[in-house]
Amino acid sequence: DIQMTQSPSSLSASVGDRVTITCRASQSISRYLNWYQQKPGKAPKLLIYAASSLQSGVPLRFSGSGSGTDFTLTISSLEPEDFATYYCQQSYRVFTFGPGTKVDMK
Amino acid sequence: EVHLVESGGDLEQPGGSLRLSCAAAGFTFSNYAMSWVRQAPGQGLEWVSAISATGDDTYYADSVKGRFTVSRDNAKNTLYLQMNSLRADDTAVYYCAEIGWTQQELVAVQFLDYWGQGTLVTVSS
Repeated sequence: DIQMTQSPSSLSASVGDRVTITCRASQSISRYLNWYQQKPGKAPKLLIYAASSLQSGVPLRFSGSGSGTDFTLTISSLEPEDFATYYCQQSYRVFTFGPGTKVDMK
Repeated sequence: EVHLVESGGDLEQPGGSLRLSCAAAGFTFSNYAMSWVRQAPGQGLEWVSAISATGDDTYYADSVKGRFTVSRDNAKNTLYLQMNSLRADDTAVYYCAEIGWTQQELVAVQFLDYWGQGTLVTVSS
């Protein structure tokens, strides 16, 4: 099974900050990596698919990069609505989610 | 507009059974693979199961293999999850999701692009 890890598990940031979240796979998954945002009590929302492709309607401040085992989600300038939990997910072998990174207000 | 609505969540005793449904609208249901994902209270997301567009192929997480069965009725635009031998650690909100895909460099990358609002399953005596 492919295991996914994320770091940090949580971070505190301010509006306008640049935020970077890292995701690592236990084996190479090429670019089979997606990112989701989840707010409390809501379903997850797809942000990035295939490591770096922005889902339709997602603001340009979100970007993804990486391939193989190491991936990054970057929010270039944090907005108030971006405080949420972010999950990576591999789709190389079925699906596995990372444990999540909670972004809260400093 | 894609619309997914789960139902069937309830309080059930350990060892019992439940069947979840996911009614789909706003897209050609029979063209898409579908998935179930769950989230235990205060915990992260856990992929549970997936089914191909035709229903011929099914996939399960090790944690539910042999106990849960995914199926679909394309004539009714509905996805199902039959959950047997329920355990306390099956307590979670269960989401259904459409599996989208894109072709990139000769490979098809899959992702979960539309989700329902979830239905709560509680397993407790």
